[in-house]
Amino acid sequence: QKEVEQDPGPLSVPEGAIVSLNCTYSNSAFQYFMWYRQYSRKGPELLMYTYSSGNKEDGRFTAQVDKSSKYISLFIRDSQPSDSATYLCATTLGGGATNKLIFGTGTLLAVQP
Amino acid sequence: GAVVSQHPSWVICKSGTSVKIECRSLDFQATTMFWYRQFPKQSLMLMATSNEGSKATYEQGVEKDKFLINHASLTLSTLTVTSAHPEDSSFYICSARVAGPTSYNEQFFGPGTRLTVL
Repeated sequence: QKEVEQDPGPLSVPEGAIVSLNCTYSNSAFQYFMWYRQYSRKGPELLMYTYSSGNKEDGRFTAQVDKSSKYISLFIRDSQPSDSATYLCATTLGGGATNKLIFGTGTLLAVQP
Repeated sequence: GAVVSQHPSWVICKSGTSVKIECRSLDFQATTMFWYRQFPKQSLMLMATSNEGSKATYEQGVEKDKFLINHASLTLSTLTVTSAHPEDSSFYICSARVAGPTSYNEQFFGPGTRLTVL
């Protein structure tokens, strides 16, 4: 079993739609949960991170973590064509500088104008 | 924000040759750098973690004699793929992290290097 599972998609939505991206994880010891956006042939960039359970909002993006079900989500409101990218969830045991990130496979999102 | 660069961005080499990839943190000092490999439509897989001035820690299944990592300064790490073969063709991405007072230390990723071995 992979430590982090993510539906690879692709997911195609019309402009303005609400997008829901999800991951599950297996290790209850994970504490930090991240969402990265990766454009084609580029390195990932951090969108948001959440510590433990709860919600976090940043503009059109909302991250949710439910540790009881080991489920993490990213919601994108009013999606734009510029949001078209691969979205990777990631987690780590701790926030320290040497703690390694464990990534999901990424979901390819296409927002159609 | 913090910027991490990689060079080259794209390299093609013949089977059996060695290739060096550089990773630089441009506006901060990175105490820890990470090297990842990403195959098409797959996730980033951590290859190794390196701290400045010490030997890299390799993940299980990664050959340390084939993938040589040097982290000689707080702003530069290099990955050398020795005796490259076609199966080493992949997208190699580095990231850099700085230890700080906050509880979470973000990794900043480079733009990646696409290696094609003929």
